[in-house]
Amino acid sequence: GNSVTQMEGPVTLSEEAFLTINCTYTATGYPSLFWYVQYPGEGLQLLLKATKADDKGSNKGFEATYRKETTSFHLEKGSVQVSDSAVYFCALSFGNYGQNFVFGPGTRLSVLP
Amino acid sequence: NAGVTQTPKFRVLKTGQSMTLLCAQDMNHEYMYWYRQDPGMGLRLIHYSVGEGTTAKGEVPDGYNVSRLKKQNFLLGLESAAPSQTSVYFCAAKRAGQSYEQYFGPGTRLTVT
Repeated sequence: GNSVTQMEGPVTLSEEAFLTINCTYTATGYPSLFWYVQYPGEGLQLLLKATKADDKGSNKGFEATYRKETTSFHLEKGSVQVSDSAVYFCALSFGNYGQNFVFGPGTRLSVLP
Repeated sequence: NAGVTQTPKFRVLKTGQSMTLLCAQDMNHEYMYWYRQDPGMGLRLIHYSVGEGTTAKGEVPDGYNVSRLKKQNFLLGLESAAPSQTSVYFCAAKRAGQSYEQYFGPGTRLTVT
């Protein structure tokens, strides 16, 4: 079946450190891949997405590349800020009309000043 | 353009009481979803709808019912609330097509005592 695996958190970093959150997926066909972010007390917001192999999604200094050969979509940021503290979810969309969505369990990031 | 809105934001119920959560979207999206989010459990899909008048079960449908009489609204009902249904509930809407993302509402925090 279709599934998403994320690295377990929590991840604690100092401000300006490099961030990587690993995400791997299992899917039939060619899913679209997404990263969402959830700040405390809020709903999920789309951070970035990639819809085909080798696409790179980017937003707010975050990047992720759709790697079909390794079935991965790792999230990276070169220099994290305290304001990046949140929970990050990797997800994929599949189905004939993209009606199905699968989310990973989420990775909590804490950035210390 | 409000996106996805949820009513109410907070609610406390006694065991056995019933209630309806309302999700509304003004984006004219075809698909709508209800999730619950519990601490450490990530998002779990309750029910979803791919169009007006159609609904389908998700991962955890027991104890919930849904209706989508109008394209812009998706209602989640609890007929006889149980403490196990204490959770944060999120609604999402999505355009048809695999490359499109889900848009989330701000959530409803429900406590069942």
